Amino acid sequence: AQSVTQLDSQVPVFEEAPVELRCNYSSSVSVYLFWYVQYPNQGLQLLLKYLSGSTLVKGINGFEAEFNKSQTSFHLRKPSVHISDTAEYFCAVSDPRDDKIIFGKGTRLHILP
Amino acid sequence: KAGVTQTPRYLIKTRGQQVTLSCSPISGHRSVSWYQQTPGQGLQFLFEYFSETQRNKGNFPGRFSGRQFSNSRSEMNVSTLELGDSALYLCASSRDVNTGELFFGEGSRLTVL
Repeated sequence: AQSVTQLDSQVPVFEEAPVELRCNYSSSVSVYLFWYVQYPNQGLQLLLKYLSGSTLVKGINGFEAEFNKSQTSFHLRKPSVHISDTAEYFCAVSDPRDDKIIFGKGTRLHILP
Repeated sequence: KAGVTQTPRYLIKTRGQQVTLSCSPISGHRSVSWYQQTPGQGLQFLFEYFSETQRNKGNFPGRFSGRQFSNSRSEMNVSTLELGDSALYLCASSRDVNTGELFFGEGSRLTVL
């Protein structure tokens, strides 16, 4: 069975600074990987996904993530954050043979002025 | 194109009662998944339906049940409510199975007193 660990429950970062949100997964098979974002009082929205191919995946709002199979990681990065990036970010994994998507517990990104 | 619609958005129930939540997926989407979101446990998978059939089920007691109709609309029911059932219940739809991308509604926030 797959599992997802988001190492930081909260990450404070100054506006216009870079940020990295960490995600590690465990699985005995090849997986699909995702990052979702949840803005206050809203549902989740897909930021980016890795299904196969290039290990560097670019998503919406300037975010990108890199799939590292040897370290079983899929960290999310943005070179310069904006106050509007304040949200909770969820890493998720699914087995392509099984449509169930498992989410991590989330990382709250706090943007400091 | 309308997004995923969940009703009701907010509701308050007392212990022992039952509740039914509704989800209308995006037009053309045939798969519907349900998640429970709480501050302590994060997002936990409840179940997934495709073409009126339950494809996957999470580790929740039998008090939690669901169904999908021929028009892809879905309902979930929780019977004999407990205080711990207080949560945000999120519905997500996808066009097909194994697409890797879920479109979420804004959720139904249930408070059990």
